[in-house]
Amino acid sequence: QVQLVQSGSELKKPGASVKVSCKASGYTVAPYSMNWVRQAPGQGLEWMGWINTNTGNPAYAQGFTGRFVFSLDTSVSTAYLQISSLKAEDTAVYYCVRDVNIVNFDYWGQGTLVTVSS
Amino acid sequence: QSALTQPASVSGSPGQSITISCTGTSSDVGGYNYVSWFQQHPGKAPKLMIYQVTNRPSGVSNRFSGSKSGNTASLTISGLQAEDEADYYCSSYTISSTVVFGGGTKLTVL
Repeated sequence: QVQLVQSGSELKKPGASVKVSCKASGYTVAPYSMNWVRQAPGQGLEWMGWINTNTGNPAYAQGFTGRFVFSLDTSVSTAYLQISSLKAEDTAVYYCVRDVNIVNFDYWGQGTLVTVSS
Repeated sequence: QSALTQPASVSGSPGQSITISCTGTSSDVGGYNYVSWFQQHPGKAPKLMIYQVTNRPSGVSNRFSGSKSGNTASLTISGLQAEDEADYYCSSYTISSTVVFGGGTKLTVL
């Protein structure tokens, strides 16, 4: 069955970097795009962008350029989200999400809580 | 891109029907039939309930239905059950080739 399994919670200091992984199983990663969604504590969902699993090209939503990087290793069916120069406001749960056809977000990872605190 | 507008909360009694609205613009909801709805229980990942305005994924109860008129999409839940109590989010494809979510609606089953 299709599963997206994300790496565990992270506690980081301001200014540090974090890399969240999302391992896909039960299907071939391409051609379905992989999206990333952020949810700050007590807040709603926020689309961060996506990565084309055929080409590896990422696209970022406004507000997620510069410090955020999406990448992919198709040999291990894993997508990654790297955030650099972490700030307190980056504290959130980050989800990877499969998209089968334009906002048809059918499978979600379990979420990774990233906490940024000194 | 501004978030889509949803009511902060709705409520209903078991067995009743409720409707959650999701208002956007002609650049998102009104311009494309790519509106989805998600259910999220506390501490859980969101779950796809409706895609492409009206379609239900396999396994989703037919008590859930979606529709759209102009720039406003709607999710209707009929025969409310206790387990329907959750947060609900709409989302839409946009003219900028991005995705935008609504602010979320907390459904309380009285």
